[in-house]
Amino acid sequence: SQQGEEDPQALSIQEGENATMNCSYKTSINNLQWYRQNSGRGLVHLILIRSNEREKHSGRLRVTLDTSKKSSSLLITASRAADTASYFCATAAFNKFYFGSGTKLNVKP
Amino acid sequence: DVKVTQSSRYLVKRTGEKVFLECVQDMDHENMFWYRQDPGLGLRLIYFSYDVKMKEKGDIPEGYSVSREKKERFSLILESASTNQTSMYLCASSFRQRIAKNIQYFGAGTRLSVL
Repeated sequence: SQQGEEDPQALSIQEGENATMNCSYKTSINNLQWYRQNSGRGLVHLILIRSNEREKHSGRLRVTLDTSKKSSSLLITASRAADTASYFCATAAFNKFYFGSGTKLNVKP
Repeated sequence: DVKVTQSSRYLVKRTGEKVFLECVQDMDHENMFWYRQDPGLGLRLIYFSYDVKMKEKGDIPEGYSVSREKKERFSLILESASTNQTSMYLCASSFRQRIAKNIQYFGAGTRLSVL
């Protein structure tokens, strides 16, 4: 299937540390997006990277995309307790979105 | 700000009941989606719609139907609820018809329990 898979499934770090999450997918994509979900809530879009882009920044977020390896990473720098959430990658192709099962990030104060 | 509103945060229904989940968006988006989210399975697409009265099956349409009579409203219907439909249901919408190129905006979710 097209579905992206995040790695690790869970990550626990101290406030101030960096958090890195990875996403792998299987087929060609138009773009790859990262979303965040606070516990029991809907998803919120964080950042979109197009298939012809290699790196993108937004505030404390840095996303890379390697289409040859079919993988992406999301780096959150100087993490805060408020970053505690689940993070999902979504691959977009053939008029559909495919979400992975997410990385659960816990940032300890 | 885009607002996607789901009518209920929590619902408890009995097996065999007909269940309606309602979703309204206020940004004149063409595309609307229904997903279900289960632990370890991520989000799975049930149905989507790219225009009024238009619908397309997603990956897991069995046991569900949808209705889009107005552009801003997309309803998910469980014709006869079963316990395996206990889940978190998420509605989303996006601008324009080129689904793959656009950001999706999500509602807060409806947690449905079927007893």
